[in-house]
Amino acid sequence: DGGITQSPKYLFRKEGQNVTLSCEQNLNHDAMYWYRQDPGQGLRLIYYSQIVNDFQKGDIAEGYSVSREKKESFPLTVTSAQKNPTAFYLCATNGGSSNTGELFFGEGSRLTVL
Amino acid sequence: GENVEQHPSTLSVQEGDSAVIKCTYSDSASNYFPWYKQELGKGPQLIIDIRSNVGEKKDQRIAVTLNKTAKHFSLHITETQPEDSAVYFCAASNRNAGNMLTFGGGTRLMVKP
Repeated sequence: DGGITQSPKYLFRKEGQNVTLSCEQNLNHDAMYWYRQDPGQGLRLIYYSQIVNDFQKGDIAEGYSVSREKKESFPLTVTSAQKNPTAFYLCATNGGSSNTGELFFGEGSRLTVL
Repeated sequence: GENVEQHPSTLSVQEGDSAVIKCTYSDSASNYFPWYKQELGKGPQLIIDIRSNVGEKKDQRIAVTLNKTAKHFSLHITETQPEDSAVYFCAASNRNAGNMLTFGGGTRLMVKP
């Protein structure tokens, strides 16, 4: 199947723990993105990467970290420094030879801090 | 940077009626305006988009209109069906901002049977 795979779908974390969300794509897209979604607040950009071994902060990067060691993978770590980490996290990609600007989203990961 | 405002935040219509969702943007350089539909527990999916060189685009029951002078664009859904119930997001981007999408706050559409 072609597409974007996010895991885990649901994750529970105790306060003070770091947690890593996985995002893998086989669309051969250059750019990958992480968004946070809270009720009634739309999608806010956390980090993005337009090429392997390079990434930039988005609007709400504090308390998060990423890596882009492979084109297919863009994991997001939610650190203990993130004050309010409970949210729905979405990974997205775009690019490729027929890039129209469309973003393709994964199914999301719901993180709950207990 | 770009700022996208979306209204209304919730919209309830009777099956068969039309639904209209409106967005405004701030950056006059924006030239790409997609609309995404997000069903419960899933990621958003593109349903229609429009570029700044056209004023209207239709795809079956959905249409998008763009007014570049006023910097607003709208999504129109005709003959609504219960399966249209979802959250809809508008977005805007331009090459000057590296084609980064800025999203509106979303509209929860409920279609009552």
